[in-house]
Amino acid sequence: LAKTTQPISMDSYEGQEVNITCSHNNIATNDYITWYQQFPSQGPRFIIQGYKTKVTNEVASLFIPADRKSSTLSLPRVSLSDTAVYYCLVGPASAGGTSYGKLTFGQGTILTVHP
Amino acid sequence: EAQVTQNPRYLITVTGKKLTVTCSQNMNHEYMSWYRQDPGLGLRQIYYSMNVEVTDKGDVPEGYKVSRKEKRNFPLILESPSPNQTSLYFCASSWGWGQGASGYTFGSGTRLTVV
Repeated sequence: LAKTTQPISMDSYEGQEVNITCSHNNIATNDYITWYQQFPSQGPRFIIQGYKTKVTNEVASLFIPADRKSSTLSLPRVSLSDTAVYYCLVGPASAGGTSYGKLTFGQGTILTVHP
Repeated sequence: EAQVTQNPRYLITVTGKKLTVTCSQNMNHEYMSWYRQDPGLGLRQIYYSMNVEVTDKGDVPEGYKVSRKEKRNFPLILESPSPNQTSLYFCASSWGWGQGASGYTFGSGTRLTVV
């Protein structure tokens, strides 16, 4: 199972771009990288998923280098409402592999956006 | 609306009194999973299910039981709760096996206190 490492916390200001990096050195061939956002006392919410290169949706971008041993979640122009915990999760997104059922979250990154 | 529904949202119980936390999803997802979340420990997987009648242990299964008799339901059973099972519990589901193309969908959580 790919273990992930993220910074424990980050601070930013409204309007800035925030980049959160996740390390996953032992990522498997059939593993995808997914980022989640969690507000206090709520369940995590899917933000973005990718396999390689760059993925962009309406809320974020995900950059994955060719060796796939890390990934960077980019949040453009953050606001106060982006203050949350962000988790990177690495695991299969479809059938395949021998451990596709067991999915372990890392510690997450506490992002605090200041006025 | 596509969702994962957990009940109850809050529960206070006494040591040793059996309880069940229900989880139901309306998205026809094959994969369902239970997590507990504790301060400083992040999200830890308790059990998961790949499909009906197929369940397996996650990282912290001790003291818990699950069943998957129907595709939509995945109840979490605490036969003899203890104070160390006081936690915030989340149920999650996804299409296919593993994370699925859109990641997990999480429930709103159940805050359990065992006294």
